[in-house]
Amino acid sequence: EDQVTQSPEALRLQEGESSSLNCSYTVSGLRGLFWYRQDPGKGPEFLFTLYSAGEEKEKERLKATLTKKESFLHITAPKPEDSATYLCAVRTGSARQLTFGSGTQLTVLP
Amino acid sequence: DAGITQSPRHKVTETGTPVTLRCHQTENHRYMYWYRQDPGHGLRLIHYSYGVKDTDKGEVSDGYSVSRSKTEDFLLTLESATSSQTSVYFCAISPRISGGGQETQYFGPGTRLLVL
Repeated sequence: EDQVTQSPEALRLQEGESSSLNCSYTVSGLRGLFWYRQDPGKGPEFLFTLYSAGEEKEKERLKATLTKKESFLHITAPKPEDSATYLCAVRTGSARQLTFGSGTQLTVLP
Repeated sequence: DAGITQSPRHKVTETGTPVTLRCHQTENHRYMYWYRQDPGHGLRLIHYSYGVKDTDKGEVSDGYSVSRSKTEDFLLTLESATSSQTSVYFCAISPRISGGGQETQYFGPGTRLLVL
């Protein structure tokens, strides 16, 4: 059974304090790993798709990396507006179904 | 903006009543999905569709049915609502992938359902 585990569940950082969020996965043949950002009361917002080990993608202060067993979302010099829940998901079916982790709630303090 | 709307955005209903949630897209994408989101469980797939009248079950489909009679609309029905179906429901679409593009899903704004 495909599984996605995210850690930590919650993370509090000071503004400018860089850190990483972890997403470990167990799937039979990875066909895509996805990162989303979700603000309270809103739908998830797409950030990145990664397909193969060694792949990296960047967007502003965020950088996603992928290994054969896990993915990391690195946040460099975060700002309070980066506060959100970050969700990781893997593609699990021929109709592009996704299996999500429970998310990491990030709070960046000014 | 991926052109996804959900209605209603909020609903309060009573146990045992039928409830239908609507997802509407403006882009004619083939794949559509219904998820529910609960604290501690993340997003879980209820049903999905890969074309008009083509649907299938997801991880948590018990107590739910779906219909897709037009490309743009995907309906989720709770046949007889229970308190355990109190949740936030999200619809998503997966666009066609153009050359060099990334596969993804875009989500609607969600429907908050409270079953009393």
